[in-house]
Amino acid sequence: DADVTQTPRNRITKTGKRIMLECSQTKGHDRMYWYRQDPGLGLRLIYYSFDVKDINKGEISDGYSVSRQAQAKFSLSLESAIPNQTALYFCATSRGGEQYFGPGTRLTVT
Amino acid sequence: GQSLEQPSEVTAVEGAIVQINCTYQTSGFYGLSWYQQHDGGAPTFLSYNALDGLEETGRFSSFLSRSDSYGYLLLQELQMKDSASYFCALGTGAGYALNFGKGTSLLVTP
Repeated sequence: DADVTQTPRNRITKTGKRIMLECSQTKGHDRMYWYRQDPGLGLRLIYYSFDVKDINKGEISDGYSVSRQAQAKFSLSLESAIPNQTALYFCATSRGGEQYFGPGTRLTVT
Repeated sequence: GQSLEQPSEVTAVEGAIVQINCTYQTSGFYGLSWYQQHDGGAPTFLSYNALDGLEETGRFSSFLSRSDSYGYLLLQELQMKDSASYFCALGTGAGYALNFGKGTSLLVTP
């Protein structure tokens, strides 16, 4: 079984809809992250969390919110999706210098 | 802020050696990491340099010089499966979140 899982893997939604992307991990790591990847732009940090009580904004948090429901679960929400949020979204965990990424969620906002 | 620069594309022949450079500007960081990403896949960890010098892991080696704000990834005995994108990333004080470069697309030809 994968150490970091993401659901859904693919999602098409309409402008203005609320959508939640979920991430679960079995690695027992405290640190969890959400990144967004756009073609030619690499990965950019949206939010990160040290533990259940610690949530921090990243480089591009506007338009997104997160919830750390448990050590193993970290969800990303788009309250009102817009087309420029169309991207590939990755969840990751880490204990130190190495990060472990989930398989990604490909989100399309029409 | 931080910025990282790496070549957008590199082509090399199967069996050869290729070096992917990464230069950066930052006021502080924990280390320089390298990740590999195949099309549509998740980034996977290759190497990490917390200190200056060379780190070797099988066919892959990575180098860091903090005084020169420079690092590189060296891939030896190239194989066709090494065709992928390679990202350098700085580990930041923000919960060890990664600040990624835009990636280098490596094409290995027969």
